[in-house]
Amino acid sequence: NAGVTQTPKFQVLKTGQSMTLQCAQDMNHEYMSWYRQDPGMGLRLIHYSVGAGITDQGEVPNGYNVSRSTTEDFPLRLLSAAPSQTSVYFCASSSGSAGGNIQYFGAGTRLSVL
Amino acid sequence: SQQGEEDPQALSIQEGENATMNCSYKTSINNLQWYRQNSGRGLVHLILIRSNEREKHSGRLRVTLDTSKKSSSLLITASRAADTASYFCATDRYTGGFKTIFGAGTRLFVKA
Repeated sequence: NAGVTQTPKFQVLKTGQSMTLQCAQDMNHEYMSWYRQDPGMGLRLIHYSVGAGITDQGEVPNGYNVSRSTTEDFPLRLLSAAPSQTSVYFCASSSGSAGGNIQYFGAGTRLSVL
Repeated sequence: SQQGEEDPQALSIQEGENATMNCSYKTSINNLQWYRQNSGRGLVHLILIRSNEREKHSGRLRVTLDTSKKSSSLLITASRAADTASYFCATDRYTGGFKTIFGAGTRLFVKA
């Protein structure tokens, strides 16, 4: 199993450009989430999904868009990139079972917005 | 603002010593988890404790949870240089679906 796969690993954008960060999981997990991590800080939840067709906002949703058309994929769209969106982005998936929401993380996408 | 706040922000100890990290949170939770992150990598789950549990062990890890004080602690016993990493607590709250919020983390450095 590949687990959670994020692409690309690195990306440089100019202010105002748009792009999509890809995330795919092969564990048949219902839950998927996007986080951003700024230097020396913890993870902040951007958007999450509890199943195909269902998404909700996290702590810092502004400037980002998501959709969940399949169980496997959860892309994150930056509509008009800003320097404040320079960060490392992590995608995670989990089963969301009653036993607890244990999350499995991808390796991250390092994004720089100039 | 983030749900979990960790203390201390950074901790430096000698190999063989114990390391204790604390986490406080603000609202009611269903579960609390601890994760580890090696530099530049994704997070890896360490241990989960449910809101009706007070203490849990896994190998050299011991987690406590005090829901009346809204706090948790992670103890790593007999630390090793390989334990050098950042450690994050994360709170799960179920509101029609689980929402998991992470704290800012404790950076642990274990000197050989």
